[in-house]
Amino acid sequence: SQQGEEDPQALSIQEGENATMNCSYKTSINNLQWYRQNSGRGLVHLILIRSNEREKHSGRLRVTLDTSKKSSSLLITASRAADTASYFCATDTNAGNMLTFGGGTRLMVKP
Amino acid sequence: ETGVTQSPTHLIKTRGQQVTLRCSSQSGHNTVSWYQQALGQGPQFIFQYYREEENGRGNFPPRFSGLQFPNYSSELNVNALELDDSALYLCASSFRVSDVAYEQYFGPGTRLTVT
Repeated sequence: SQQGEEDPQALSIQEGENATMNCSYKTSINNLQWYRQNSGRGLVHLILIRSNEREKHSGRLRVTLDTSKKSSSLLITASRAADTASYFCATDTNAGNMLTFGGGTRLMVKP
Repeated sequence: ETGVTQSPTHLIKTRGQQVTLRCSSQSGHNTVSWYQQALGQGPQFIFQYYREEENGRGNFPPRFSGLQFPNYSSELNVNALELDDSALYLCASSFRVSDVAYEQYFGPGTRLTVT
């Protein structure tokens, strides 16, 4: 079963625009992680936010976490064509890296 | 590149057969997890091995089994293959101390097709 639900399922934007993806989950978590996947290949870890954190930044990425609403968002600023990929949120309930993934958001950035 | 390698890259099997997939963890990592990703879906957790013992399991039947070796490389075995087993199989390695596992790194995956 998949705990996380990403919204939207697909997103198409122009280069330079910002992209926002949302994730909702159902149970209490220790941390939430975001991953990127290019063309059905391996997953690349982007950022981890712990349950006691509200916001985290990494380069052009900004992640927020609202544990009261059981939701998270990933913002990619000044998007590039190379950002085209699928993005997944994954929840970790006990810090053991046994992750529950959502269905993903497919992002297309047009040059 | 994450330092996690998987073999083979692609594999075609017939329903009812058995398959073994292999994963070589990143150096220094003592924990490996396996995930199944069906086309168009997010990965689903199969199981995790820590210090050669199964440390956690997702909602997969016993015909999915695994091994972790002393050098921390790992195998995923699937018996009695079914058409629905067709998927991308991903392994991920991480370093674990007590109950806390640190950032994990995924391999490129093995694409299994069952006909």
